[in-house]
This record gives sequence, C-alpha cells and structure tokens, in this order.
Amino acid sequence: QKEVEQDPGPLSVPEGAIVSLNCTYSNSAFQYFMWYRQYSRKGPELLMYTYSSGNKEDGRFTAQVDKSSKYISLFIRDSQPSDSATYLCAMSAITQGGSEKLVFGKGTKLTVNP
Amino acid sequence: DAGVIQSPRHEVTEMGQEVTLRCKPISGHDYLFWYRQTMMRGLELLIYFNNNVPIDDSGMPEDRFSAKMPNASFSTLKIQPSEPRDSAVYFCATSGPRGDGLAGGPSEQFFGPGTRLTVL
Repeated sequence: QKEVEQDPGPLSVPEGAIVSLNCTYSNSAFQYFMWYRQYSRKGPELLMYTYSSGNKEDGRFTAQVDKSSKYISLFIRDSQPSDSATYLCAMSAITQGGSEKLVFGKGTKLTVNP
Repeated sequence: DAGVIQSPRHEVTEMGQEVTLRCKPISGHDYLFWYRQTMMRGLELLIYFNNNVPIDDSGMPEDRFSAKMPNASFSTLKIQPSEPRDSAVYFCATSGPRGDGLAGGPSEQFFGPGTRLTVL
C-alpha cells in the first residue's frame, strides 16, 4: 500500500459546482497536510495546509482532515474555469534530524467547464 | 526574487547520453529538493539537501543518477547513461527553515518550472 493514495480522476464539472477532492494515507506520523495546485506545464504551488483534524477555510477553498480515518479532503465552492488544474495532496513528517520530507499523492486533474 | 530557476526547460536526448539538469534556488533557502513526475508514479522525491549537504538520497532510482550541490546557489542532477524510462518532468524545489513563512506550520516548498526530459 502506498503511503498516500489519491484518485487521479480526471474530474470534469460545470462552472459553479462544488468540487470534492480526497486523499487517504497510511502513515500515522504525518503531521502536516497540504494541497498543492499545479497548472499545466508549471510547477506545483502550495494552496493550503492544515495541522490538526477539522476544517480550515480560505475563500472558496476548505481543507478538511480526519486523522482517525486517515482521510483528507479539499472542497472548492463556486468552482471557476480558472480552478482547472491538477490538485496534489501532500503530507509531511519531521525527521529525527529536524528536517521535513513531503510525500505527494498522484494528483487529481480537474476541469471546470464554462 | 525570480523564484527557483531550472535549466534547460526541455531536453531531448538519445539513450546512453549523459544528461545534466540544473537548478538555482531562491536566495536564502537552505533546503533543496529534486523530484521526478510521471503519469504512472506521480511526483516522487529523489534527493534533498540541507545547507548543501545531501540528507536523504533514498529516492534516487539507480546509480545512474547523481546529484550535487557545490554551493548555496547551484545544484545539478545528472543521469549517466540515460534510458528511455528516465523520460519525465524533473522539478527542483527549495524551502527555508522549518516553519519559516508559514506561522506554526510546515516549510513551504517553492517549485521551479521543471525540466521536461525525453530520452529516445
């Protein structure tokens, strides 16, 4: 079993729809949970991060973590064509040496149609 | 700051040739990561450096891959000899000290634009 599992999609929705993206993980040592957004032919960019179980909201985006189920989600409200991108979940744990290593999901490709 | 700079942006080479990918980190960032992205395997960490010292190279697939960071401003990833299965997009990412820039949170990694490598 991979440490982080993410459905690669693709996911196609009409403009204005609510989008739900999900990841599961197996490593209980993960402490930070992040969502990166990657536009076509670009590098990933950090969108949001969370630390504890619960919800975190940023504009139209809500990140949710359920540590008991080892499940994280990203919700996009009122989706826009500009949200069309690949969304990668990422998780990190602090090593004994104090450094961090990210483990990424494969990414879900989202297309929002006007 | 110009962000993380990678060169070349595209590389097409023939099997058996040596390939060198280059990365210039964001000034002041002391962590540098090399990733490989493919459709099949997603984004995989190959190796990372802290203060120019390799910390973890467990993701380097084979001895054909090597990475160096001779100073704080420059890193290379070399593949010798290259094979068709090395075709992928290679990203360099850098970050500051843990928690830097994200209050109480993880270090944000800033990715370069990537090098698209095709080995024929």
